[in-house]
Amino acid sequence: KAGVTQTPRYLIKTRGQQVTLSCSPISGHRSVSWYQQTPGQGLQFLFEYFSETQRNKGNFPGRFSGRQFSNSRSEMNVSTLELGDSALYLCASSLRQASYGYTFGSGTRLTVV
Amino acid sequence: QQQVKQSPQSLIVQKGGISIINCAYENTAFDYFPWYQQFPGKGPALLIAIRPDVSEKKEGRFTISFNKSAKQFSLHIMDSQPGDSATYFCAASNAGGTSYGKLTFGQGTILTVHP
Repeated sequence: KAGVTQTPRYLIKTRGQQVTLSCSPISGHRSVSWYQQTPGQGLQFLFEYFSETQRNKGNFPGRFSGRQFSNSRSEMNVSTLELGDSALYLCASSLRQASYGYTFGSGTRLTVV
Repeated sequence: QQQVKQSPQSLIVQKGGISIINCAYENTAFDYFPWYQQFPGKGPALLIAIRPDVSEKKEGRFTISFNKSAKQFSLHIMDSQPGDSATYFCAASNAGGTSYGKLTFGQGTILTVHP
């Protein structure tokens, strides 16, 4: 059974650019969450999608957005990149509608220069 | 009120010893408390989780102890092995409510097990 797949694994972008990260959840999982991981702030929740609807959102600026497709695959977009957006972006999926048992992918390492 | 405080930040244990990591929370609406293990270059992997209706849960060498009145929970790793060397995160959520995918994580503990 394949795990959560995130692409690309590494990304280098310039300040002011935008970036799109992709997440394919475990087959059958309908809930997808996104997290940002940095050494200073740790793991912080970005947003969660279930059946193409955003049900929850963390305290991040509007430059951070996401969406989920009918096959449960999800993308997150960051516009007008800032140096502080450099982080490991993690996607997690869960089978259940309630928020138990999330399985994380290996993440996308974004570096903004 | 959303914070989860984790200690210690780092821990060094000899092979065969017991590793203990502690977490404290404030939000009484939290009803799900998982522990994750993360190796370098990988995402966090779910180790073990507990709900507040039980005081202890054991899976192999890993045990969660939960104290609802003190709002604290801890991870015990028995017979620690060098392969357990990783970063451990506690987390909490109102999984049965409206937290929808939101886990509140502790700051992490870097565990090193010496052979």
